[in-house]
Amino acid sequence: AQKVTQAQTEISVVEKEDVTLDCVYETRDTTYYLFWYKQPPSGELVFLIRRNSFDEQNEISGRYSWNFQKSTSSFNFTITASQVVDSAVYFCALRNQGAQKLVFGQGTRLTINP
Amino acid sequence: NAGVMQNPRHLVRRRGQEARLRCSPMKGHSHVYWYRQLPEEGLKFMVYLQKENIIDESGMPKERFSAEFPKEGPSILRIQQVVRGDSAAYFCASSPTGQLSGANVLTFGAGSRLTVL
Repeated sequence: AQKVTQAQTEISVVEKEDVTLDCVYETRDTTYYLFWYKQPPSGELVFLIRRNSFDEQNEISGRYSWNFQKSTSSFNFTITASQVVDSAVYFCALRNQGAQKLVFGQGTRLTINP
Repeated sequence: NAGVMQNPRHLVRRRGQEARLRCSPMKGHSHVYWYRQLPEEGLKFMVYLQKENIIDESGMPKERFSAEFPKEGPSILRIQQVVRGDSAAYFCASSPTGQLSGANVLTFGAGSRLTVL
């Protein structure tokens, strides 16, 4: 069975603070893909990153970075020097190789206060 | 180079009416997925279609819900005799090939928000 847990329902920080969004996943497969999506207040889903299970290198893209650790089944997302425009709901998702479905976590609502 | 287009963006129905949600995939994409997002929840898979074929409908409620993706035109998610519990955001996604083909990234539309009064 596949499962994604985002234990943090809501996070609120002041602008310029760093913030980490946690994601823990469960799967029995050895090949799988992990994703992060952003859902801003306008409601659409914006793809942020995809990671496959064989690539444990951390990734940095501007103020965003991702820490993938297979040993703890976690794929955490850090925003450095947060900005008000980062306010959104962030979803972590998992798909097993060969599966059709993305399994989403419950989402973390991030509010960046000016 | 339009993305995945969904309409209507907002739909209000009274209990017992029908709701039809439309999804036009990205140009060149022949695979469509529908997901439902209940309030304050993550997205849940509903159905996966190719042109004229339903490939996986394991996430569809057994009654009142149906989906199609005809040879011409958009994919349609149809909900008959809507109830209040159907109020949700319905997202469509498309990919150029099936996800079985690799680590395809789904491109999502902006969603259709159904409110049942």
